[in-house]
Amino acid sequence: DPKIIQKPKYLVAVTGSEKILICEQYLGHNAMYWYRQSAKKPLEFMFSYSYQKLMDNQTASSRFQPQSSKKNHLDLQITALKPDDSATYFCASSQETNSNERLFFGHGTKLSVL
Amino acid sequence: SQLAEENSWALSVHEGESVTVNCSYKTSITALQWYRQKSGKGPAQLILIRSNEREKRNGRLRATLDTSSQSSSLSITATRCEDTAVYFCANTEGADRLTFGKGTQLIIQP
Repeated sequence: DPKIIQKPKYLVAVTGSEKILICEQYLGHNAMYWYRQSAKKPLEFMFSYSYQKLMDNQTASSRFQPQSSKKNHLDLQITALKPDDSATYFCASSQETNSNERLFFGHGTKLSVL
Repeated sequence: SQLAEENSWALSVHEGESVTVNCSYKTSITALQWYRQKSGKGPAQLILIRSNEREKRNGRLRATLDTSSQSSSLSITATRCEDTAVYFCANTEGADRLTFGKGTQLIIQP
């Protein structure tokens, strides 16, 4: 019974299009994150949110926009998609944004940009 | 630059044997975490070891931390086929950001 739900599990997009990756967590956590994992790189931090406010952003491109409509939602909108955006995107959550907190990850959305 | 990095790309042992994955890091830490990622799944935390701890156990898992050499190890005893996964160490870069190593692929052969 997954507590962090990511939709869709697989996503194929054409270059230049826009997609939204959905994430909902049912752990009652106050902090949510996005990480990206591509074939040749380690798991990379993208964004962190705490109580629906952006805390940290390590994504250089403004094409990536997180959206938090509810405390337990953190979607990721990606515009003007490029083939280099192909990766698996993981949503995660923790009780608080704290260096000693355990992160809980969803199963990921695998994005392929053609 | 990588703030946490495992020292081996891949390891393979037979079921029932013990195995150790090593990790080195480059900055001071408050804690180091070990995660495991099985194929098609997200990472799952195994152990968190704080900077004032030298050893932490969780069932068949044992993590050590040596702050003087900036290294950590994760040992698994009595390995099982289901232990096959990629193992990551991760440390904090700032208060809310975990930095992961590239991971060590561990294969447990029957």
